[in-house]
Amino acid sequence: DSGVTQTPKHLITATGQRVTLRCSPRSGDLSVYWYQQSLDQGLQFLIQYYNGEERAKGNILERFSAQQFPDLHSELNLSSLELGDSALYFCASSVRGDNSPLHFGNGTRLTVT
Amino acid sequence: DAKTTQPTSMDCAEGRAANLPCNHSTISGNEYVYWYRQIHSQGPQYIIHGLKNNETNEMASLIITEDRKSSTLILPHATLRDTAVYYCIVPYSGAGSYQLTFGKGTKLSVIP
Repeated sequence: DSGVTQTPKHLITATGQRVTLRCSPRSGDLSVYWYQQSLDQGLQFLIQYYNGEERAKGNILERFSAQQFPDLHSELNLSSLELGDSALYFCASSVRGDNSPLHFGNGTRLTVT
Repeated sequence: DAKTTQPTSMDCAEGRAANLPCNHSTISGNEYVYWYRQIHSQGPQYIIHGLKNNETNEMASLIITEDRKSSTLILPHATLRDTAVYYCIVPYSGAGSYQLTFGKGTKLSVIP
């Protein structure tokens, strides 16, 4: 158990809809990361937050947004969903936002129909 | 960020040591090498990391060459549960950000 909690574990929704994925980092970790893993793309970095502030953006679509709250949990919002957004979404956390190991949750499997 | 090169796949007999190589010839002096693994759609799991010296923990050993251009992850006694995709990563760290870029990794199959 990594200590990172992601909810829900599974989500099935229709195209055009909006969903919110939630992540609770390990106790004491200040940085949160979001990754997307689809079958043909591998693990893609989306975004990083550190203590509530956005630190880095990767391949995150404009339809997607995220935030980290004062209690350090994070949410990833996906809107105007398309079939291609079906994927595993992983959250990870680390103590700091630099060279410290990332600890990943077990992901949210999103299916868009 | 420094690019890494790993073999696509490897087999290892159960109980034997698994040696997974990684090339990172463009690594710079202050960049670490990290290893993660992912077991069938679970979240990636941190294994070990190092800068120059060899490192060992309860999961594995990491051997880094003196010129730091390559490294080897060693699982001393592989079990069936070690079957996974192993990723060697040199993270990008700069301007307050820190990014792990996952490549395709090495698919390790531990065979009974």
